Amino acid sequence: NAGVTQTPKFRILKIGQSMTLQCAQDMNHNYMYWYRQDPGMGLKLIYYSVGAGITDKGEVPNGYNVSRSTTEDFPLRLELAAPSQTSVYFCASSYVPPGTGELFFGEGSRLTVL
Amino acid sequence: QQPVQSPQAVILREGEDAVINCSSSKALYSVHWYRQKHGEAPVFLMILLKGGEQKGHEKISASFNEKKQQSSLYLTASQLSYSGTYFCGTESYRGSTLGRLYFGRGTQLTVWP
Repeated sequence: NAGVTQTPKFRILKIGQSMTLQCAQDMNHNYMYWYRQDPGMGLKLIYYSVGAGITDKGEVPNGYNVSRSTTEDFPLRLELAAPSQTSVYFCASSYVPPGTGELFFGEGSRLTVL
Repeated sequence: QQPVQSPQAVILREGEDAVINCSSSKALYSVHWYRQKHGEAPVFLMILLKGGEQKGHEKISASFNEKKQQSSLYLTASQLSYSGTYFCGTESYRGSTLGRLYFGRGTQLTVWP
C-alpha cells in the first residue's frame, strides 16, 4: 500500500540550480496536486492536474512547472531556485474532485535553497 | 481566499474539550478538516458539504454554518493522540476553479497528560 510517494525527502540547492521533485501514486487517482507549506502559513496550492495531459495553476505557480504524462506521475520542476522556494512540498492525490472527497498526501519533500 | 482559523494555538489537559473555528469571506461549497502531526503529512478528518449536516467520528465532530460561512471542529474529551496542527480547507465554488482547495494557517493543539 504505497499510496503517494515523493522523492527526494530532503534536498539542498544552491541559488540558480534547478531540480525536479518526483511524485507517484498507485491508487489510479485522476486528480493530483502540489502544495508548499511554509512555517505558520498553511498549505498553498502550486499546481494541480485533473488527469493525464491536463494541468492548471494554483495560488503560487511562479517559479515552478509541472507535467502529467501518465495518471501515476506528477513531477514538479523548479527552475532557477531562489531562497523564497525554501519550503516543504507536499504532493497529494484524490479519486474525486477535492470538494467531495479526501486528499491523500505524500510524506513531503523538504527543500532548502542557499 | 485563504480561510481564517482561530485560535492559533490551544493547550489542553487530557479529557478537556476544544473548539477550532474556520471562517471565510466567500460563500462556501465545502469545508475540509485535516490534522498534521509534526514532520508528517496532513491526514484527512472529515468533509462537510453545503446543505450537509454535522459530521462526526467518535469524539471529533464538526459543523458547517453556510449562512455565516463558518465551520467549527469540536474535540471532546481530548486524548494525547489529538495533538497536532489542524487545518481547515475551503472550496468556494465549482466550475472553472475545480481543484482549488484553500487552506487556513492552522491551529496548533497540544494535549498534556
